[in-house]
Amino acid sequence: GDSVTQMEGPVTLSEEAFLTINCTYTATGYPSLFWYVQYPGEGLQLLLKATKADDKGSNKGFEATYRKETTSFHLEKGSVQVSDSAVYFCALRDWTALIFGKGTTLSVSS
Amino acid sequence: GAVVSQHPSRVICKSGTSVKIECRSLDFQATTMFWYRQFPKQSLMLMATSNEGSKATYEQGVEKDKFLINHASLTLSTLTVTSAHPEDSSFYICSASGHEDEKLFFGSGTQLSVL
Repeated sequence: GDSVTQMEGPVTLSEEAFLTINCTYTATGYPSLFWYVQYPGEGLQLLLKATKADDKGSNKGFEATYRKETTSFHLEKGSVQVSDSAVYFCALRDWTALIFGKGTTLSVSS
Repeated sequence: GAVVSQHPSRVICKSGTSVKIECRSLDFQATTMFWYRQFPKQSLMLMATSNEGSKATYEQGVEKDKFLINHASLTLSTLTVTSAHPEDSSFYICSASGHEDEKLFFGSGTQLSVL
């Protein structure tokens, strides 16, 4: 079945460092890909998405490109801030429900 | 943006009791709601999909008699964990979608601890 694998955390960075969180997927069809973020004490929020190969999703300085050839959707940000500290989930959606990765905790210190 | 309210955020109960978790869409009509469970350091696992007015569709391995889902209106779905046991302790999250198929909105989750 469809699945999502993302890098284990936690990821600890200093402010203004470069961030990459790897995500790869397995799917039988042509899924849409998503990154969700969960800030402490809050619900999941959609961060960005891409619906087809070579699409780039971007939001709040974060970017991810849908790479069909490598079945990847890595999340990147050039300069992280303390306020980016959260848990990040990669997900795919083939038909209706989302299938999530395990989540990666990011901690950014000043 | 659209808001999904999930209640309670945390519940502690004794083994053998039942716990009800509510999920409400506050400003849109949720034609479909999804219930997920997340064990520590694990993925969010889909438990069931419910459409308003019809029976929920459960994922393989999820006991439908233990996890009762009711989606009686377009704004409310409930998950009842019946005769809870310590192994049911987990983080439960609902999500809802309206007529725009791509958009899913999540509740803030419920941490269930069964003693």
